[in-house]
Amino acid sequence: DTGVSQDPRHKITKRGQNVTFRCDPISEHNRLYWYRQTLGQGPEFLTYFQNEAQLEKSRLLSDRFSAERPKGSFSTLEIQRTEQGDSAMYLCASSVTGERATDTQYFGPGTRLTVL
Amino acid sequence: LAKTTQPISMDSYEGQEVNITCSHNNIATNDYITWYQQFPSQGPRFIIQGYKTKVTNEVASLFIPADRKSSTLSLPRVSLSDTAVYYCLVQRDTGRRALTFGSGTRLQVQP
Repeated sequence: DTGVSQDPRHKITKRGQNVTFRCDPISEHNRLYWYRQTLGQGPEFLTYFQNEAQLEKSRLLSDRFSAERPKGSFSTLEIQRTEQGDSAMYLCASSVTGERATDTQYFGPGTRLTVL
Repeated sequence: LAKTTQPISMDSYEGQEVNITCSHNNIATNDYITWYQQFPSQGPRFIIQGYKTKVTNEVASLFIPADRKSSTLSLPRVSLSDTAVYYCLVQRDTGRRALTFGSGTRLQVQP
């Protein structure tokens, strides 16, 4: 257990429905990341927050995706009008500001989304 | 960032030493080499990070030659619980924070 928690762990939904995932990072970590992982592939970066500011978004993050971190603590990732191609593991990671950009990211267990 | 290339899979037996090599030919001066481990249905876990020569921790060793165009993760005396996917990443010490994962090396340890 890294100290990063995600809820729910599994989500099954029908195409067209909206889903929301939550991530609780390690308490003193000011950076929070979202990644997506499909079967047999490594995780792909989606977006990144420093405190409550969303500093980077991947091209993978279409306009159906939105992420928030309103108080600089937990974060939510919402997918609107889900499509079957959204089926994946959604991973959250957190880190704390260090002297270099190569700070260690601690990953949660992920939320597995299945879109029927 | 430099692209990384590593074997798709490796097999080993319990008690053996496993070496996984990663090539990163276009590594830049301010890039670091980082390895993560991932078990099924879990998020990746940081193993080790280095810049040059050798780094050792309680889990693994990382060997980086002088030209830094490759690196080798060494796992001493593996056990069944070391069966996982191992990712080699290049991280730059300025700028972009996101990690760029490849497909990793799937290590299967047999009894």
